[in-house]
Parts: sequence; structure tokens; C-alpha cells
Amino acid sequence: EPEVTQTPSHQVTQMGQEVILRCVPISNHLYFYWYRQILGQKVEFLVSFYNNEISEKSEIFDDQFSVERPDGSNFTLKIRSTKLEDSAMYFCASSVVGYTFGSGTRLTVV
Amino acid sequence: EDKVVQSPLSLVVHEGDTVTLNCSYEVTNFRSLLWYKQEKKAPTFLFMLTSSGIEKKSGRLSSILDKKELFSILNITATQTGDSAIYLCAVEGLIQGAQKLVFGQGTRLTINP
Repeated sequence: EPEVTQTPSHQVTQMGQEVILRCVPISNHLYFYWYRQILGQKVEFLVSFYNNEISEKSEIFDDQFSVERPDGSNFTLKIRSTKLEDSAMYFCASSVVGYTFGSGTRLTVV
Repeated sequence: EDKVVQSPLSLVVHEGDTVTLNCSYEVTNFRSLLWYKQEKKAPTFLFMLTSSGIEKKSGRLSSILDKKELFSILNITATQTGDSAIYLCAVEGLIQGAQKLVFGQGTRLTINP
């Protein structure tokens, strides 16, 4: 069964550093998303991406965040200058009808 | 503001019991309602509901949607310890041409042997 693959599974970074979270969506899917889940809280929408551009972003997705689909297969989330409150599990998802989630990247900012 | 509310937030039952999890929603331009099971990491897909009154079943799990009253229920019969997880309800809306999921806070289900 097709999967959404995320790497790394866990990343620890120092406050102020840049991180790039990587995702390989399912190949025939058209819509791509990033969600995050702070420990103990609900899953929150960050951004949706379609036709090589952002289609919607939440208030969380400020200027520190960016997404790219650099080569037609990878879908990346970059956080330019990480803050302690960026610590969360980040999920990538892709969809045609219905959504498939990746296994997540646990980001810890210290 | 779009919102999805699940109840109860936490439920502890004995193996063999039947449980009903609730999800109510207010989401712009509703497209579908999805149920996920989250154990350790990624939510795993259970059901996608688009039409009112049509029950979807998968083994001991079943779900139904009421688009008039804006809610859905997830039933699990003859529960097993492996059913212990957080169950997430998410509603897909179409907002300004973009589709996205709005998640509820989840129901933490614990099945005791």
C-alpha cells in the first residue's frame, strides 16, 4: 500500500537554528499538507500546497515557515529560526480523495 | 470559526464492552468527515463519511454521519486491548478554494483487560 514517508523521524535542534523536514508524498496525489501536534494538544493545520503553490496557510504558518516541492517528489517544510514552542510532531499528508499521513517527525528545540 | 469537538475526551472501559465516540462540527463548506486512530505516531485512517445516514463498517468498528445535526459517531463493539488509542475526528472543509482538515481534540480510549 502506498505510503507517505517522512524523514528524519526525530530531530533535535538548538533554538535559532534552521531545520528542514522532508516528506515524500504518494506519487499520484495532488494535494500536500503539513500539520503539527504539540504534545498533548490537537493536530493543527499548518499549510496546504497544490499545483506548486501554497493554497492555504494557518496563522501558525508565519514568515519563519516555508514549503517547497523542489524536485517533483519531495515536499519540504523549513523553519528558518526555530523557537522552543516549535517543538512538536510534524505530520506530512497527501491526498487525492481522503488523506494519507506520514509517520511524523518529532522536532525538539532546545 | 471552524471547529470540531469530540466527546468524551477520555474513556476507560473493560475488554468486551461497546463504546460510542462522538464528534460534532461546524466547518465551512463541509466535504467529508474522517475518523483516525492514533496510537504512537501517525494517525491511521479508519473511515471517510460524506453522506448522511449511511453506516460504514469495518469489522468491529462502525461509523455514521448526520449532516443535518452536524455530528458523527464511531462505535466499537467487543472492545479489545488493542483498541486502546486516541481516536481523532477530522472534518474536511473547502475554504477559499483550498481544502483542509480541522481536527478535534481526540478521545483517549483505554481498554482494560
